[in-house]
Amino acid sequence: SQKIEQNSEALNIQEGKTATLTCNYTNYSPAYLQWYRQDPGRGPVFLLLIRENEKEKRKERLKVTFDTTLKQSLFHITASQPADSATYLCALAGNTGKLIFGQGTTLQVKP
Amino acid sequence: KAGVTQTPRYLIKTRGQQVTLSCSPISGHRSVSWYQQTPGQGLQFLFEYFSETQRNKGNFPGRFSGRQFSNSRSEMNVSTLELGDSALYLCASSLAEVEGREKLFFGSGTQLSVL
Repeated sequence: SQKIEQNSEALNIQEGKTATLTCNYTNYSPAYLQWYRQDPGRGPVFLLLIRENEKEKRKERLKVTFDTTLKQSLFHITASQPADSATYLCALAGNTGKLIFGQGTTLQVKP
Repeated sequence: KAGVTQTPRYLIKTRGQQVTLSCSPISGHRSVSWYQQTPGQGLQFLFEYFSETQRNKGNFPGRFSGRQFSNSRSEMNVSTLELGDSALYLCASSLAEVEGREKLFFGSGTQLSVL
């Protein structure tokens, strides 16, 4: 069956370091992959979208890679700050299908 | 531009009751999706509406239903509530002619507690 896996364990890093979050998927051929940020008690907020024919996308301190051979996306936050602490969700969509979310990885950036 | 508005913010019901949740999308957005979020299961897709038609449906029982009105506002209904229906219900809107191609804008959700 289709499966999206994100690190279930929280990621703890020191302020100023680069945070790298992983999203792996199986039995899926997504045309689009999206990353969202969610703070406690709030709805997810869109960060980046990357298409299957794109290898990398950047936005300010954020970078996303998409490797359809490895079936993996990496999400990087450079020069991390305590304000980056949140849960980060990846979501996949096929060409005409619904958007399916991973369970999310919680990032904690310590000052 | 106003964001996605969900009402009510909090709701407490008892088993066997039914509940209706409301969602007003961003002006101009014709796609509205509903998700259920629980600590154990994460975000689970319920259904998606586009121009008043259900375009996609998740794997939830028939007790979960929805509809979309001509002004794109959407409602979801859960009948015969069960304890396991306690969750944060999120609504999201987008411009997407085809779901998944555009970003979703989420509301703050309705926190439903079933006692």
